[in-house]
Amino acid sequence: QVQLQESGPRLVKPSETLSLTCTVSGDSINSYYWSWIRQPPGKGLEWIGFIYYTGNSNYNPSLKSRVTISLDTSKNQFSLILNSVTAADTAVYYCASITNSLGLDSWGQGTLVTVSS
Amino acid sequence: QSALTQPASVSGSPGQSITISCTGTSSDVGGYKYVSWYQQHPGKAPRLIISDVSYRPSGVSNRFSGSKSGNTASLTISGLQAEDEADYYCSSYTSSSTLGLVLFGGGTKLTVL
Repeated sequence: QVQLQESGPRLVKPSETLSLTCTVSGDSINSYYWSWIRQPPGKGLEWIGFIYYTGNSNYNPSLKSRVTISLDTSKNQFSLILNSVTAADTAVYYCASITNSLGLDSWGQGTLVTVSS
Repeated sequence: QSALTQPASVSGSPGQSITISCTGTSSDVGGYKYVSWYQQHPGKAPRLIISDVSYRPSGVSNRFSGSKSGNTASLTISGLQAEDEADYYCSSYTSSSTLGLVLFGGGTKLTVL
């Protein structure tokens, strides 16, 4: 089964940019859909968006103006960029693979990103 | 407020069965077979336990089952075990362009008494 691992800064200042990378192992990124999901401390899951290996992407409308998800097929990685962060963006960020029926079947362990000065 | 509605908590005794509901609209749960359920233990990533309303991925216990009626999907756990104590989330595809593509429920905390 595919394995995923998030990496990136754990602390980001308000108004700056959050940047995370998900490294995929066990399968090629040139298949499936790949997604980012987040979970504020003590709260529920929020879908951020996904990208297909062709580069087509789809984002949560509430975040769309600030979010970009991209692929690096040479490194078997995909990335999340979230601009102009505030304290409300503090959350555990997960990367995951998606089935054709939008089930998130493999997840990274998650990484807590805190937005604070 | 989440787009899909789940009860905040449910409880049951070992060996019993419980059902968690997930209510949406005809634009999501009621209109498509793309309903999934996830189990999340504290401090852990969610785990897919049901997809396509009622499909159980390999390795998931047959004590977990899913169904749908109208705009409400349900997750049933039979023969409750202590290890089932966790948070459970539903998700669904949505055709609403204002909500995006994937909706989550607010989550249900299952307590095994």
